[in-house]
Amino acid sequence: NAGVTQTPKFQVLKTGQSMTLQCAQDMNHEYMSWYRQDPGMGLRLIHYSVGAGITDQGEVPNGYNVSRSTTEDFPLRLLSAAPSQTSVYFCASSGRQVEGNEQFFGPGTRLTVL
Amino acid sequence: AQRVTQPEKLLSVFKGAPVELKCNYSYSGSPELFWYVQYSRQRLQLLLRHISRESIKGFTADLNKGETSFHLKKPFAQEEDSAMYYCALSSISGGSYIPTFGRGTSLIVHP
Repeated sequence: NAGVTQTPKFQVLKTGQSMTLQCAQDMNHEYMSWYRQDPGMGLRLIHYSVGAGITDQGEVPNGYNVSRSTTEDFPLRLLSAAPSQTSVYFCASSGRQVEGNEQFFGPGTRLTVL
Repeated sequence: AQRVTQPEKLLSVFKGAPVELKCNYSYSGSPELFWYVQYSRQRLQLLLRHISRESIKGFTADLNKGETSFHLKKPFAQEEDSAMYYCALSSISGGSYIPTFGRGTSLIVHP
């Protein structure tokens, strides 16, 4: 199993550009989520999905869109990049477990918006 | 609403000293608490969860519902424990398995 994969690893954008961060998992997990990690702010939830075709907003959804057309994929779209979106983005997935739902994280995408 | 508070951004200790990373939470239902760790240049990974009552790499954490705390402890810190630690809470009763994370504590263990 590859687990949770993310592409690209690094990206530099100019203000106003759009792009899609890719996330895929091969563990047949129901739940997928996107977090951003900023110094002093910890991990903040952007959007999440509890199954194919179902998405919802997290704590900081503005400026981002998601879709979940398949169980495996959960892309994050930046519609018009802003410098405030410079961050490290993590995708995570989890399934229902008896002993608590462990989150499996991807390696992250480091995004810089100029 | 659920909230996780990690009051220390940075914790600096010497090798062999005891370590306690604090985590407090607020949640009206029955919570599930976790500690995740991120070593340098690695992805976040689960360290331990309260429901398992396990000890991983010498770390333990006890859920104290009266004090709404889930502090992470290790009696003798090692240099390889240097990492970012996140406390997380999820609520199955709320119908969502998506956890809320604290802001993280950076642990530095000096030789």
